[in-house]
Amino acid sequence: DQQVKQNSPSLSVQEGRISILNCDYTNSMFDYFLWYKKYPAEGPTFLISISSIKDKNEDGRFTVFLNKSAKHLSLHIVPSQPGDSAVYFCAASEGPSGTYKYIFGTGTRLKVLA
Amino acid sequence: DAGITQSPRHKVTETGTPVTLRCHQTENHRYMYWYRQDPGHGLRLIHYSYGVKDTDKGEVSDGYSVSRSKTEDFLLTLESATSSQTSVYFCAISEGQGRHGYTFGSGTRLTVV
Repeated sequence: DQQVKQNSPSLSVQEGRISILNCDYTNSMFDYFLWYKKYPAEGPTFLISISSIKDKNEDGRFTVFLNKSAKHLSLHIVPSQPGDSAVYFCAASEGPSGTYKYIFGTGTRLKVLA
Repeated sequence: DAGITQSPRHKVTETGTPVTLRCHQTENHRYMYWYRQDPGHGLRLIHYSYGVKDTDKGEVSDGYSVSRSKTEDFLLTLESATSSQTSVYFCAISEGQGRHGYTFGSGTRLTVV
């Protein structure tokens, strides 16, 4: 049973516009969330994180929003650039009550069109 | 990533043969993980280690075993490879429990024919 879901397998966005990638989770014990970016033939690389005590975290062009009541998080990329074209994974973990292992979503392939 | 290397990068093997993938780190991190990536499934945890000789199963551990005799090396063995184990395998390391993300290796593409 998928505890972390990314329901959009792919997304295409025009360069300069906003990209919004979504992630839903089912385990209410998840308290820390990460986004990773993955280019072909490379390992995933860390992008941005958010703790459940926050509802927003920003790092440059990347902002992650967390809606705990909806068990939903989203990654906003503004403005989108062609180099952002990659597969994006969200991941979630339980804190002290769990084992800190991260559960990953299935990924969303973002294509930024020049 | 410079602190974590996986070998081999590519391998083709026959059904029924044993295969060992190696993950080597130079970061002295305590936690190491093996994931597999498959279309439609994302990244799924196979096994992980929380110290030398300390390992535990992940969500898709059947058909796999691991060993960690040194901090820097984490081996994943497919005891008798099957076509369903054709996948891209990623090793990851973590500084510790808590709010640390993972650093991933570049992956091993394994094809079982």
